[in-house]
Amino acid sequence: DAKTTQPPSMDCAEGRAANLPCNHSTISGNEYVYWYRQIHSQGPQYIIHGLKNNETNEMASLIITEDRKSSTLILPHATLRDTAVYYCIVRVAGRDDKIIFGKGTRLHILP
Amino acid sequence: SQTIHQWPATLVQPVGSPLSLECTVEGTSNPNLYWYRQAAGRGLQLLFYSVGIGQISSEVPQNLSASRPQDRQFILSSKKLLLSDSGFYLCAWIDGGNTIYFGEGSWLTVV
Repeated sequence: DAKTTQPPSMDCAEGRAANLPCNHSTISGNEYVYWYRQIHSQGPQYIIHGLKNNETNEMASLIITEDRKSSTLILPHATLRDTAVYYCIVRVAGRDDKIIFGKGTRLHILP
Repeated sequence: SQTIHQWPATLVQPVGSPLSLECTVEGTSNPNLYWYRQAAGRGLQLLFYSVGIGQISSEVPQNLSASRPQDRQFILSSKKLLLSDSGFYLCAWIDGGNTIYFGEGSWLTVV
């Protein structure tokens, strides 16, 4: 079973920030939080990952709560091309292990 | 640079026919390799993963099998396809333990 829970869907107006939440209350101390997104009919695309500090790259920002039991992916200025299913997963980096995806959040960017 | 390829991209097969989907990775050695399936409107389901040649772990009982005859080759097979085997199949690998990369995907329609 997936170790994360996400809302099934969200709407966001174009040009606004999209904030996608993820709960991972059973996360272990050595597990990272990863975010991926999947645009229809394509393979998932890596977005960002982090351990406990907030992270930012050219695509998004990742905010992890101090207790690490939840996180938020932020797309600062959403565009129509950001419409996709967003997956949050937790795993131990560098470990030979299976990787389980949950059902993700379907993000609709509204024009 | 590391790349992952899978083929065929699309496949229409009759019920009861065999299946072979192939995935190869370039630019790395001893990768962890994964097969996922995504049924229409559903999330990513982990089918098999492999941490080395000849080492296959199955996640769900099903009509499919996987093999890893070479370090960078991962094959998904079936002897007799069922209608329920239809879906979008994705091969993936991990780069030294951190980021997961997905292939382009293979659409299988069983008729």
